[in-house]
Amino acid sequence: SAVISQKPSRDICQRGTSLTIQCQVDSQVTMMFWYRQQPGQSLTLIATANQGSEATYESGFVIDKFPISRPNLTFSTLTVSNMSPEDSSIYLCSVAKTSGGDTDTQYFGPGTRLTVL
Amino acid sequence: QKEVEQNSGPLSVPEGAIASLNCTYSDRGSQSFFWYRQYSGKSPELIMSIYSNGDKEDGRFTAQLNKASQYVSLLIRDSQPSDSATYLCAVNRNNDMRFGAGTRLTVKP
Repeated sequence: SAVISQKPSRDICQRGTSLTIQCQVDSQVTMMFWYRQQPGQSLTLIATANQGSEATYESGFVIDKFPISRPNLTFSTLTVSNMSPEDSSIYLCSVAKTSGGDTDTQYFGPGTRLTVL
Repeated sequence: QKEVEQNSGPLSVPEGAIASLNCTYSDRGSQSFFWYRQYSGKSPELIMSIYSNGDKEDGRFTAQLNKASQYVSLLIRDSQPSDSATYLCAVNRNNDMRFGAGTRLTVKP
């Protein structure tokens, strides 16, 4: 499986500010995804990060609040904008392999734990 | 009805026993099925994938799939305290992955 890193691993932010989370993969991957996991909850897909084009957002998530970039096949960023305490969560990047079978299997990065005061 | 349903637990088993985790899903067009393990404070880690009806074994883990009943399960044999974690069932259709809420498993020494 690919090696996935996320930065920062955790942060404490003030209300109204923005935070950009980076996701780096050690090999080219077709699909990159951003999830949110609120305390005690399961994973909720925010969006699919598309290389060279706008991300595809799930219902309830909008680009103005969660702008996403994916400039190449190994890197993506998620920004949480104008944060409120309700945005406190773990944000996870996941990737799916480019080839070799099991291209729908997702592997997760270590996550970014965000606390908004 | 939730798309992927799991009993939230906690499920408690003694060390050495078989732990049985269950999951049902609503989308009959689902193509692939996954079990992830998530330790507290960590990200999900893939345990197994299964694509066709029947059993798939990997070490102490066996995944079972029944598409007619829309049911997938995970058996953990010879459970160890290190297996204590939350187990997430995930169902995929055309790269659209949906997760259950997870079952918390505790293995007692």
